[in-house]
Amino acid sequence: AQTVTQSQPEMSVQEAETVTLSCTYDTSESDYYLFWYKQPPSRQMILVIRQEAYKQQNATENRFSVNFQKAAKSFSLKISDSQLGDAAMYFCAYRTFNPHYNTDKLIFGTGTRLQVFP
Amino acid sequence: SQTIHQWPATLVQPVGSPLSLECTVEGTSNPNLYWYRQAAGRGLQLLFYSIGIDQISSEVPQNLSASRPQDRQFILSSKKLLLSDSGFYLCAWSQSYEQYFGPGTRLTVT
Repeated sequence: AQTVTQSQPEMSVQEAETVTLSCTYDTSESDYYLFWYKQPPSRQMILVIRQEAYKQQNATENRFSVNFQKAAKSFSLKISDSQLGDAAMYFCAYRTFNPHYNTDKLIFGTGTRLQVFP
Repeated sequence: SQTIHQWPATLVQPVGSPLSLECTVEGTSNPNLYWYRQAAGRGLQLLFYSIGIDQISSEVPQNLSASRPQDRQFILSSKKLLLSDSGFYLCAWSQSYEQYFGPGTRLTVT
């Protein structure tokens, strides 16, 4: 079974600085998707960025980028030019797909709480 | 554009009472629908998923059940709530490889 591990319960960063959140996963599949979700105090889960495992190029969305190391099963999130609004819980998630049932499931890590200081 | 609604936003219920949480999606048809639960300070746990009307799969044996009476409506229910049912319940929809979440329902069982 697939597992997702986030080993940093809390991280902090100064405004305008860069921070990296870590995520590792375990799977025997060769093709899959990985995601980072942000959960602000409102608790709604917001999709930040996705990465397709078959793509070697790291995904980028504005100030957010990932470092995807498939062989190491590592998927870290880098936030550049951190802003106060980036303060939230960040969850790494692995998508497992079952074509027989035509469904997909997200397996989440336990999250990293990011604090941003002015 | 697609939107997803959940209600109620918050709910306080006594132990042993019934539960009904509703999720509806607009702007899409035949989505996959999901119910997740998030305990305090924890990640999300998938409870149920549905690929179509009356097609429900359960991930975790528990005190809860789900139904999908209409294409874009997903309901989470319980006949008798337990204290351990407290948590934050999130509904999500998907039509490809990304899942999009609703605003959630905070349930407190007293």
